[in-house]
Amino acid sequence: SQQGEEDPQALSIQEGENATMNCSYKTSINNLQWYRQNSGRGLVHLILIRSNEREKHSGRLRVTLDTSKKSSSLLITASRAADTASYFCAIGSYNTDKLIFGTGTRLQVFP
Amino acid sequence: EPEVTQTPSHQVTQMGQEVILRCVPISNHLYFYWYRQILGQKVEFLVSFYNNEISEKSEIFDDQFSVERPDGSNFTLKIRSTKLEDSAMYFCASSGGGGRMNTEAFFGQGTRLTVV
Repeated sequence: SQQGEEDPQALSIQEGENATMNCSYKTSINNLQWYRQNSGRGLVHLILIRSNEREKHSGRLRVTLDTSKKSSSLLITASRAADTASYFCAIGSYNTDKLIFGTGTRLQVFP
Repeated sequence: EPEVTQTPSHQVTQMGQEVILRCVPISNHLYFYWYRQILGQKVEFLVSFYNNEISEKSEIFDDQFSVERPDGSNFTLKIRSTKLEDSAMYFCASSGGGGRMNTEAFFGQGTRLTVV
């Protein structure tokens, strides 16, 4: 299975702290994408990192990819209450159209 | 900013009835997808659509499901005879190109389907 597994399953922090979420996978990938989902709502695309990239930034988001360890991390710096959501990694592979989603990390940021 | 739009946001239907979920992908995108998320579970791929035909489908996407792009803007998912286990949030997505999920996929807000 190419399944993405994320940890932690849940994370609670105070506003202003950094939040780090990790994603591990099992097979070779074309790219890895991170999404945010507010409770019961749609999936918002955050960032895509390709297999030949090691790090990518977007605003307060920093994504790293280690293909040798088959893992990725999402760092949210200076978190805000509005960052409270579930965060999913999704794996794109060369030989398929589909994204394989991970189990998600539920992030709670307290004001 | 362009976005994927889905209608309705919530649909309740009786078991055995047909439902059609509608989506308007981002206008210059070439690849279209349906995913679903059963409450509390992972997001699962159903089907991809490119060049007016199904490109790939999962084992979930059986004969009860069909997709169509009836005009230049809409993309629909039909469930012919709904079952209780079809209750889920259904997401439409589109991507610009490059094939084989080589670019970002943008998702709609979802349609929550409740089968009673």
